[in-house]
Amino acid sequence: AQSVTQLDSQVPVFEEAPVELRCNYSSSVSVYLFWYVQYPNQGLQLLLKYLSGSTLVKGINGFEAEFNKSQTSFHLRKPSVHISDTAEYFCAVSGGNDYKLSFGAGTTVTVRA
Amino acid sequence: DTAVSQTPKYLVTQMGNDKSIKCEQNLGHDTMYWYKQDSKKFLKIMFSYNNKELIINETVPNRFSPKSPDKAHLNLHINSLELGDSAVYFCASSQDLVPGNTIYFGEGSWLTVV
Repeated sequence: AQSVTQLDSQVPVFEEAPVELRCNYSSSVSVYLFWYVQYPNQGLQLLLKYLSGSTLVKGINGFEAEFNKSQTSFHLRKPSVHISDTAEYFCAVSGGNDYKLSFGAGTTVTVRA
Repeated sequence: DTAVSQTPKYLVTQMGNDKSIKCEQNLGHDTMYWYKQDSKKFLKIMFSYNNKELIINETVPNRFSPKSPDKAHLNLHINSLELGDSAVYFCASSQDLVPGNTIYFGEGSWLTVV
């Protein structure tokens, strides 16, 4: 079975500053990795996903993530955040024969002016 | 057009009542899910259906009964509601059972049991 650990439960950040959200995964098989965002009182929206190929994945809203197999990590980054990026961010994994997503505990990002 | 839609969005009900949450997807997907998000925002899969057939039941109490009349709909019925059932319930869908498929989520149904 696969699992993910999000290393930061809360990340406060100032507007226009960079942000990095850390995610580590555990799996004995090849993995597919996802980042989802949940804005207040809304559903989850896919930011980006890694299936194979280039380890640097670009997503929507200026986010990108890097798959690092040796460190079993899939950290999410944005070079300059906006107030509107305030949300809950979830790392998730599926892999092998397991199609269902297993989610991390989430990271709350609060962007301040 | 909303890809995965679920109703109601907010539901407040008393302990012991029975309630249903409806879900529909217009993406032409074969696979649908119910996820539960608890008060600490942790997301856990409850059920998955593929072409109307139950694939996963993640040790959810028997009081929860999903029903899929066709592959575009997956409704969730909850009997004898308990305080601990208060949560956000998300319906979702994906193309099929292939690992790596994107899972598309609805807006959520906020259930409060009082």
